[in-house]
Formats: sequence, C-alpha cells, structure tokens
Amino acid sequence: DAKTTQPPSMDCAEGRAANLPCNHSTISGNEYVYWYRQIHSQGPQYIIHGLKNNETNEMASLIITEDRKSSTLILPHATLRDTAVYYCIALYNFNKFYFGSGTKLNVKP
Amino acid sequence: EAGVAQSPRYKIIEKRQSVAFWCNPISGHATLYWYQQILGQGPKLLIQFQNNGVVDDSQLPKDRFSAERLKGVDSTLKIQPAKLEDSAVYLCASSFRTGNEKLFFGSGTQLSVL
Repeated sequence: DAKTTQPPSMDCAEGRAANLPCNHSTISGNEYVYWYRQIHSQGPQYIIHGLKNNETNEMASLIITEDRKSSTLILPHATLRDTAVYYCIALYNFNKFYFGSGTKLNVKP
Repeated sequence: EAGVAQSPRYKIIEKRQSVAFWCNPISGHATLYWYQQILGQGPKLLIQFQNNGVVDDSQLPKDRFSAERLKGVDSTLKIQPAKLEDSAVYLCASSFRTGNEKLFFGSGTQLSVL
C-alpha cells in the first residue's frame, strides 16, 4: 500500500522551477524515497532516489527533510515536455514499490 | 541497451474471454514485476518475481489471474475469464535485483474488456 501522499495536480510556468512535494511521515529509517514520472501512454520513468541526503542528477534534485517525513522534487527549469504525472514512492520493506496516485504537473507556456 | 519489451500493445476482448500478455525484461535483470494501471490511478503491483520464483503475489486476484516466469527470463500474465473491471494498462517492469534498485518499465499493454 502507498505510504506517500501528494497533491493531485500542480501548475508551473515554462522555464521556472517546479517544486513537487511529497509527504511520507510513516516512512521507516531504511526506506528509500523514489521518484518516477509517467508521460501519457508510456510506462513510468525513473527520475531520482534518496535516503537521507539531498540528491541531484541531470534530471532533477531531491530534497529530503532532516526528519525524513517529507521530500521535494525540483525540476530546475521546467519545459513543456516535463508535463506528466509524478509519483513519489517509499521503497517498502526494501523490495516493494507501491505507487500512489501521483501529482499531475502541467507546464504552461 | 534494449528496454523492457511487452506485447501486444493493445488488446480488445469480450468479457469471459481469456487473454495473455507477454514481457521480456532487460537482459540480466533478475527481478520482474507486473503492475495493473486503471485509468486515472497509479500502477498497482500484481506480482513480483525474483528469477523464476514468486516474491509477492498478495494483490493478484488468483481466481482469474495467473503469471509465470519460466526459466527466469520472459514472463506471461494471463486473465481467465476477463471481467469488465479488468480494463486497464498492464505494465511490466524489471530491475537488476530485488531491493534498492530502480525499475525499468515497458510501454504496457492496454486491455479493453467489452
């Protein structure tokens, strides 16, 4: 069962940073937080993951609060192609990926 | 490297008929997942394999759904008989191993049950 909660939708202007929040207040100490996104008619695509420290890769940055109860995915310069559903997932029991309903990000010109 | 391959891409059947979906994971990936995604919802885990053994099938409706992964490579998911509520996209994913490993997804099979 999903252990994360996300807002159902968000808007972002093209070229601006998109900050997508996720609440995982019941996460265990050794459960990683993963982010995936799903563009219409495609399978989910991995973005980034982390445990305690902030992470950055070529796609995004992940900021995890010190108490690990929430995190934020940051797309630094959103483009129209970033319009998708973004899923925040707690890796349950170290081997189970349970998806919630995600956040529909609408990037507008 | 080649991605996760799924077929068919689309399938339309009538209720009470049977249907099968096929998945070929990325070469060398030991763990394979089947997810069901109903329109407007996130993917729901149906079954997880580690090589040819089942790790978790707690959410698989076993009265009508079955899955196998013979030889620990390809996998087949079957529905028999299908119901209207089985209309969904069936996604296959694989990872190098079970645990803290990112999943790679196929494009899915869109099933419509009429």
